Amino acid sequence: GAVVSQHPSRVICKSGTSVKIECRSLDFQATTMFWYRQFPKQSLMLMATSNEGSKATYEQGVEKDKFLINHASLTLSTLTVTSAHPEDSSFYICSATTTGVVETQYFGPGTRLLVL
Amino acid sequence: AQSVTQLDSQVPVFEEAPVELRCNYSSSVSVYLFWYVQYPNQGLQLLLKYLSGSTLVKGINGFEAEFNKSQTSFHLRKPSVHISDTAEYFCAVSGEAGTALIFGKGTTLSVSS
Repeated sequence: GAVVSQHPSRVICKSGTSVKIECRSLDFQATTMFWYRQFPKQSLMLMATSNEGSKATYEQGVEKDKFLINHASLTLSTLTVTSAHPEDSSFYICSATTTGVVETQYFGPGTRLLVL
Repeated sequence: AQSVTQLDSQVPVFEEAPVELRCNYSSSVSVYLFWYVQYPNQGLQLLLKYLSGSTLVKGINGFEAEFNKSQTSFHLRKPSVHISDTAEYFCAVSGEAGTALIFGKGTTLSVSS
């Protein structure tokens, strides 16, 4: 089956620094990638939809200047948390879909971000 | 707008007992329905999905779900659970192709011996 990887799997950073999370589709071309955020013991909340070669579409309440998303190729999307603060600590999960295939999203293993 | 309601936040069961995790959805368009499982500190694994066709869908690990359009439900079942089935289960809905999934709040399945 299709595989999506995320890097890093875990990151700890100081408040005020920026963190970049990569999401890669390893064996297929992903025209669309989604970024979700999951707080402890809660559901996944969609943050943004990323289409290759175009600007990401952010959900209401998600700061586009804080969560920078780049989808430069059909196999890579990045999420950069700028000037991270402790409240940004969360589990970030990406997923990817392909065109021409029935609706299925393939999820990455997630990235645990802890901001001190 | 679409939404998903998982009626039970926690379901405790004994090993080898049957289990049903309930999921109801609302949508004004045709839907695709999914069940995912999440083990601690891990990402999501697809259990099964309903796209079209037969309303009874069989997935991995012995799970199955039935799509009921009139009741707008997609309940997940397993006839005999194992300790290893202990995890968080999420029901999700998607509308048009290429759109994001809307997740329910999740159900914690706890299997004890």
